[in-house]
Amino acid sequence: EAGVVQSPRYKIIEKKQPVAFWCNPISGHNTLYWYRQNLGQGPELLIRYENEEAVDDSQLPKDRFSAERLKGVDSTLKIQPAELGDSAVYLCASMERDLNTEAFFGQGTRLTVV
Amino acid sequence: AQKVTQAQTEISVVEKEDVTLDCVYETRDTTYYLFWYKQPPSGELVFLIRRNSFDEQNEISGRYSWNFQKSTSSFNFTITASQVVDSAVYFCALRSNNNDMRFGAGTRLTVKP
Repeated sequence: EAGVVQSPRYKIIEKKQPVAFWCNPISGHNTLYWYRQNLGQGPELLIRYENEEAVDDSQLPKDRFSAERLKGVDSTLKIQPAELGDSAVYLCASMERDLNTEAFFGQGTRLTVV
Repeated sequence: AQKVTQAQTEISVVEKEDVTLDCVYETRDTTYYLFWYKQPPSGELVFLIRRNSFDEQNEISGRYSWNFQKSTSSFNFTITASQVVDSAVYFCALRSNNNDMRFGAGTRLTVKP
């Protein structure tokens, strides 16, 4: 069974440019998370989806970040315009509806803003 | 609000030593779930162990064991007979009953040959 797939793996952009990250969760997983991980720190939640509904986006910087999960499957996270401080690894994770289980993570997208 | 604290920033041991990683959590929920993940240099977070708040039985799985104590809100993780391949960053995570999942800052473990 395929795991969580993220693309691209690496992205280098100039500040003020837009960027988008894509996540394909494990088939059948209702819950999808986007995290941001700065160097030397733990993952910080940006947004959580239950199916196609964003149920927790309180930590998403809405002035420049947006996300969507059409049809409750794939998800896209966008930054426009990017700032130098957005350089980080963006992680996607998915989980089944059964709470007695764990979340599975993709390999992440490493963003560098120059 | 939920919070996970990993006070140990870095730990260095020599191969074959046992090592314990500490995790303290805060939550108002009565039902919650605790996890340990490993992040090797490749970057992907790999699930290691899971525990439910209503099950304090401590277990051993191969070289891994954990000590869950609700009275002290701690969920410590032990690697027995450490190996060089255990070198990674280890994260403790807390997930509430509504699926809100938060991570600690991580502990970088270095196992020297």
